[in-house]
This record gives sequence, structure tokens and C-alpha cells, in this order.
Amino acid sequence: SYVLTQPPSVSVAPGKTARISCGGNDIGSKSVHWYQQKPGQAPIVVIYYDSDRPSGIPERFSGSNSGNTATLTVSKVEVGDEADYYCQVWDSPRADVIFGGGTKLTVL
Amino acid sequence: QVRLVQSGAEVKKPGASVKVSCKTSGYNFGDFYLHWVRQAPGQGLEWMGWINPNDGDTNYAQKFQGSVTLTRDTSISTAYMDLTSLRSDDTAIYYCARSPTYGSRWIDSWGQGTLVTVSS
Repeated sequence: SYVLTQPPSVSVAPGKTARISCGGNDIGSKSVHWYQQKPGQAPIVVIYYDSDRPSGIPERFSGSNSGNTATLTVSKVEVGDEADYYCQVWDSPRADVIFGGGTKLTVL
Repeated sequence: QVRLVQSGAEVKKPGASVKVSCKTSGYNFGDFYLHWVRQAPGQGLEWMGWINPNDGDTNYAQKFQGSVTLTRDTSISTAYMDLTSLRSDDTAIYYCARSPTYGSRWIDSWGQGTLVTVSS
């Protein structure tokens, strides 16, 4: 089955830019969605269809997808952005939802 | 306002079964898939399967085929997840979540989660 690979952790200083990768075979041919999960809470979507942002999500969150890597970028990182982030795709041949293993974003 | 409200926490013994409900409101029940996703303590998200409330069609992750059954009751806009032969490693928070029925199924709304604890 299709596998998504994320780094376990990313650290960044406040005000800097964080980039979280999501690797998969020819992931650029799929649509990638990103979720943020804070402790004790259900996940929320922060980016869908590679780069679309739901209402209420700051413009600081952006996404890109090409080749074998999709990337979630968080600009001007704030302490409140500290959370786990998961990428997700739809594996259409099997009609399965696939999640990456998650990345813990730490704001130093 | 879209709402997915799940049933309360459960404690079960190994070998037992558990049924978790997900009552929806604020939208047409048949217009969106309902997925079940679980998260073991300190672990990532694990997709279990989806149900199309419109026709009852289901798809299960290979790992859960034979142990999970997804059903729905359209009269009360509620979906159910039935997990059998529970083991200690089934201890997790179980979420129901909604996605479009077309395109790349991204999840736009989640339930609050139901903690299922399996312990002798």
C-alpha cells in the first residue's frame, strides 16, 4: 500500500519559517492534505488540495507538492503553532485514506 | 453548523466488542463519507475505514478487515463503528470524521473522539 514518510520532529525559533516534508512515491500526482493536532484535541485541516487554506487558517500556513515530496510551510512561526502535523492522501486504487506518521513541531 | 458528536468513553475486557456512535447534524447526512480514525496513546493517526451513508457502501483498511464493521442509521443521521475481539493494543481514541464523497477525500470535520480502554 501507499506509504507517506514524515520526519518525526522539526524545531524552529519563533518568527522563523518551519518546513515539514511528506514523502511518497510520485506524491506530486496526488492531492495532499495537512492536519494540525494540538494535545488533547481532535485534528483540524490547515491545508487541503496541496495549497488551499480553509477559512480561519492564517496565511502563514502554505503548502506545495511536486515530485516525491509535499511540503507544509509555516511562516513567522508562533508559539501557538506548536503541534503535531499529519499529511494525508487518498489512495484511489484501493479507496483508502493514508496518513503520514506525523511530525511534532517544536517552537524553541 | 456541522457537528459530529460521539458516544462516551468505554472500558472493555480483552476479547469483548465495542460499538461507538457518531451522531451528525448541520448537514445532509448522505452527502459526505464518514471515516473512522484511531489514535493509540502517544501515536499517530490510523485510518480504519469509511462508510457512504447514502447507500451503506463501506471500505476498510486491510488491517481492520474482519474486525471492524461500519454501519449507519439514516433516520437519526448516526454512524457506528463496531470493533470485535478487542486486545490491549486497541486502546486508543477513536474519531469519526467527515469527507466529501468525490475527489481526494480530505477531512473537514472531526468528532470529539471516544476513548476506548481495553484492560483485564
